[in-house]
Amino acid sequence: NAGVTQTPKFQVLKTGQSMTLQCAQDMNHEYMSWYRQDPGMGLRLIHYSVGAGITDQGEVPNGYNVSRSTTEDFPLRLLSAAPSQTSVYFCASRSRPLISYEQYFGPGTRLTVT
Amino acid sequence: QQQVKQSPQSLIVQKGGISIINCAYENTAFDYFPWYQQFPGKGPALLIAIRPDVSEKKEGRFTISFNKSAKQFSLHIMDSQPGDSATYFCAAPFSGSARQLTFGSGTQLTVLP
Repeated sequence: NAGVTQTPKFQVLKTGQSMTLQCAQDMNHEYMSWYRQDPGMGLRLIHYSVGAGITDQGEVPNGYNVSRSTTEDFPLRLLSAAPSQTSVYFCASRSRPLISYEQYFGPGTRLTVT
Repeated sequence: QQQVKQSPQSLIVQKGGISIINCAYENTAFDYFPWYQQFPGKGPALLIAIRPDVSEKKEGRFTISFNKSAKQFSLHIMDSQPGDSATYFCAAPFSGSARQLTFGSGTQLTVLP
């Protein structure tokens, strides 16, 4: 199993540009989520999904959109990038809570917005 | 507003020493308390976790101590090694039915050889 994969690893955007961060998992996990990691702030939940077609907001959703058309994929979209979105983005997946709370994280995407 | 508050922000320990990282939470409905370990350039990975019906859980050199009345849980790393140098995060279930995790701000541990 590849686990959780993310592309790209690095990205530089100009203010106002849009892009999509890709995330895929091959563990048949129902739950997927996106976090951003900033120095001194830990990991903050952006959006999450409990299954195909179902998404919800986390702690810091503004400026980001998500969709979940398949169990495997959970892309994160930045419609109009801002310097405040410079961060490291992690995708994670896990089974339903009754099975396990363990989150499996991808390797991250380092995004810089200039 | 962070639902789990972690301290210290950074910690330097000599090889063989004990590393202690603390986490305080507010929501008494939380029922799962994990610690994640993250090495530079990698995603976090589950290290050890505890449920509130026990006061301590040990796995090798890593121990979680849980104090329900004080609403605190701690990670103890015994006989700390340079390979333990990493960032450690505590976490708890985010409020809401989906039970996503909310994380503390992280502790950067450096173990000197």
